Amino acid sequence: DAGITQSPRHKVTETGTPVTLRCHQTENHRYMYWYRQDPGHGLRLIHYSYGVKDTDKGEVSDGYSVSRSKTEDFLLTLESATSSQTSVYFCAARDRIYEQYFGPGTRLTVT
Amino acid sequence: DQQVKQNSPSLSVQEGRISILNCDYTNSMFDYFLWYKKYPAEGPTFLISISSIKDKNEDGRFTVFLNKSAKHLSLHIVPSQPGDSAVYFCAASAEGGATNKLIFGTGTLLAVQP
Repeated sequence: DAGITQSPRHKVTETGTPVTLRCHQTENHRYMYWYRQDPGHGLRLIHYSYGVKDTDKGEVSDGYSVSRSKTEDFLLTLESATSSQTSVYFCAARDRIYEQYFGPGTRLTVT
Repeated sequence: DQQVKQNSPSLSVQEGRISILNCDYTNSMFDYFLWYKKYPAEGPTFLISISSIKDKNEDGRFTVFLNKSAKHLSLHIVPSQPGDSAVYFCAASAEGGATNKLIFGTGTLLAVQP
């Protein structure tokens, strides 16, 4: 358990509004990740971070941005939410080993 | 292009019997493989992993087998228990060390019948 929390756990928002999801970890892990889970697609990487202020894109990064100003916090922002971004979002973290440890998820609905 | 494939969306097994979950991959550069278990409304939890230099790794009731020539791995659960009912994801990594991005399969829903 990497002590990962996500907030909010559930959110409903309207198309075109900005949304920020927060991931917080207490274990001082260097690497953090944002995934989305959709039926038929498994988990897909949106963005990841390899240190404070160091981030890079994953395979489905369009429409998303991230920021990491402190080791413990990794924010995912949808600049202008669309219905295709309705999904369950998971944050993960790891240190030097391969295994990533996941948070409980945020269910986002864009109407 | 799906680099990690789990071709069985679901599997039903009787309690006490063996559960075998399969995963195929296409990228020969993958060097580390992991299995995650996911209950509804929770995040995935790490279950077991295997390095490409091995062909088997065992942890209690869970064993992962890797066949590199066939680009295939499998997770065996013996004996299966009702609490094992969950979605199982396999994942693979080709970049160890630095960023270690994981590529996930689409998951297999395991139902263990009492």
